[in-house]
Amino acid sequence: EAQVTQNPRYLITVTGKKLTVTCSQNMNHEYMSWYRQDPGLGLRQIYYSMNVEVTDKGDVPEGYKVSRKEKRNFPLILESPSPNQTSLYFCASSVGQHLYEQYFGPGTRLTVT
Amino acid sequence: AQKITQTQPGMFVQEKEAVTLDCTYDTSDPSYGLFWYKQPSSGEMIFLIYQGSYDQQNATEGRYSLNFQKARKSANLVISASQLGDSAMYFCAMRVSYNQGGKLIFGQGTELSVKP
Repeated sequence: EAQVTQNPRYLITVTGKKLTVTCSQNMNHEYMSWYRQDPGLGLRQIYYSMNVEVTDKGDVPEGYKVSRKEKRNFPLILESPSPNQTSLYFCASSVGQHLYEQYFGPGTRLTVT
Repeated sequence: AQKITQTQPGMFVQEKEAVTLDCTYDTSDPSYGLFWYKQPSSGEMIFLIYQGSYDQQNATEGRYSLNFQKARKSANLVISASQLGDSAMYFCAMRVSYNQGGKLIFGQGTELSVKP
């Protein structure tokens, strides 16, 4: 089954404690992306990756890091989480940059206290 | 500036009636794509329909159709014969070129409630 998986699905953590949200896809997609969703703001892109070792900033990259060492994985790293990073996070992948078929992961709900 | 605007934070519709969710966009890129996604209370993002900027005909997918008016820069979603399961948040999104990659810009969303 074609899918994008994210782990963990739910996380409550404290300010400053480094965390990683994993994202993996099994469709051999080149393009992967991270979004955060906040009420009244829709989804905003954090980072994206065109392929292995190729990443770039989206609209709201501050406080986040990513890496793309393998085609299937695109982890999101919060080196020092802060309460304003409390949000719902989505990973997504697609065959190419045209995004005709962008598959979303199930989401990770992060709370930073 | 590239932007998507959904002006209806919430809407109600009676079951079996049709409903239109509004979406306007702004871009100077001649090549773009418009998407609608559904997000039920469970949280996942479900792709509904896509319209390319060069497509001559309005896109349709089952009970969903996209009313694309290029001159007005609008891409409204029409749901015919609403069902209780259509109650969800709906997002309009636009694919734009971004450096050498594409990205989706999302609107704020419209929460649709279907009444029995």
